Amino acid sequence: KQEVTQIPAALSVPEGENLVLNCSFTDSAIYNLQWFRQDPGKGLTSLLLIQSSQREQTSGRLNASLDKSSGRSTLYIAASQPGDSATYLCAVSGNFNKFYFGSGTKLNVKP
Amino acid sequence: GAGVSQTPSNKVTEKGKYVELRCDPISGHTALYWYRQSLGQGPEFLIYFQGTGAADDSGLPNDRFFAVRPEGSVSTLKIQRTERGDSAVYLCASSLRGLAGLTDTQYFGPGTRLTVL
Repeated sequence: KQEVTQIPAALSVPEGENLVLNCSFTDSAIYNLQWFRQDPGKGLTSLLLIQSSQREQTSGRLNASLDKSSGRSTLYIAASQPGDSATYLCAVSGNFNKFYFGSGTKLNVKP
Repeated sequence: GAGVSQTPSNKVTEKGKYVELRCDPISGHTALYWYRQSLGQGPEFLIYFQGTGAADDSGLPNDRFFAVRPEGSVSTLKIQRTERGDSAVYLCASSLRGLAGLTDTQYFGPGTRLTVL
């Protein structure tokens, strides 16, 4: 069964810092990898989707990379802002696009 | 346009009772997914519908859990004889195609928080 691990579990940084969130998965036979943001009491918001044939995706201050062979992905957030505070979830999809999620990294950006 | 909606937003029930959770996907999305999220954990897959049929129900924990999508749009997750361990946030997601080998973004609803006393 696919296992997804996210490190660190929690992260607190001052505003303006660049930061990296890590995700690893055990089975490299994935269709895609997606990073989500979850705010307290809310659903998930998709941030970036990387197809298995791609190596990275960028959206604004966010950049996600994928190294399928080593089972790793990183989410890079540039110039962090207090509004970035949330839990970030990494998910990989297998057959039929069902996702296997990590437990998330809880990010706190201090003003 | 409207996103994925779920009702109720909160549900409190007693152990042993029956509950139904509803999901309204984005119009035109053929794929619908149910996930369960326990406190401090990521969502865990329960079941996937392609149209009206359950293409993959391997995540349903036991036969107390059942889901339907009779017209290929709205879906209902049904839990019989609820147990305290069923307490969690139940998330629904939809995507445009969801076909094997194709990829598209899943859009999640806000979830239903189920509490079994």
